[in-house]
Amino acid sequence: DSGVTQTPKHLITATGQRVTLRCSPRSGDLSVYWYQQSLDQGLQFLIQYYNGEERAKGNILERFSAQQFPDLHSELNLSSLELGDSALYFCASSVVPGQTYEQYFGPGTRLTVT
Amino acid sequence: GQSLEQPSEVTAVEGAIVQINCTYQTSGFYGLSWYQQHDGGAPTFLSYNALDGLEETGRFSSFLSRSDSYGYLLLQELQMKDSASYFCAVRGPRTMDSNYQLIWGAGTKLIIKP
Repeated sequence: DSGVTQTPKHLITATGQRVTLRCSPRSGDLSVYWYQQSLDQGLQFLIQYYNGEERAKGNILERFSAQQFPDLHSELNLSSLELGDSALYFCASSVVPGQTYEQYFGPGTRLTVT
Repeated sequence: GQSLEQPSEVTAVEGAIVQINCTYQTSGFYGLSWYQQHDGGAPTFLSYNALDGLEETGRFSSFLSRSDSYGYLLLQELQMKDSASYFCAVRGPRTMDSNYQLIWGAGTKLIIKP
């Protein structure tokens, strides 16, 4: 158990819909990262937050957005969902951005778009 | 550009030793991380090398040669539970305010045969 929690574990929704994925980082970690992993693919970095502020953006679609709240939990919002958005979405955390090399991952949310 | 190369798949026999290589090309380099991911599971942090040489942690060792832009993960006394994907990731260029980008390889699937 990494100490990072994600909800929900599974999500099934229809194309065109909007969903919100939630993540709570490990106690004491200030930086949160979001990743997308499609079937048998590598990890695609989406976005990073540190202490409530966006720090880095990867290949995140305009239909996707995220934020980190004062209590440090983070939410990833996915809208106008397409079949290709079906994937595992991971949240990870690290103490500070300087320790980005050591990230702790949550169990992931498996999103299925039908 | 920035890229990491690692073999897509490696096969080994239970009890043997296997080496998973990673070569990188980045505009800045601060260290090499390794992560393990079992099918359907979350990536877990294994090791981080910032300096040249070999770091040992139990049956796993990680090596870095900065002059060759190369590193490897060495797994000894292979067990069936080591069957997983292994990702290398480079702590690359600093983006802003002590934020370092983490660049991920595509992953190596390790298949262990009895």
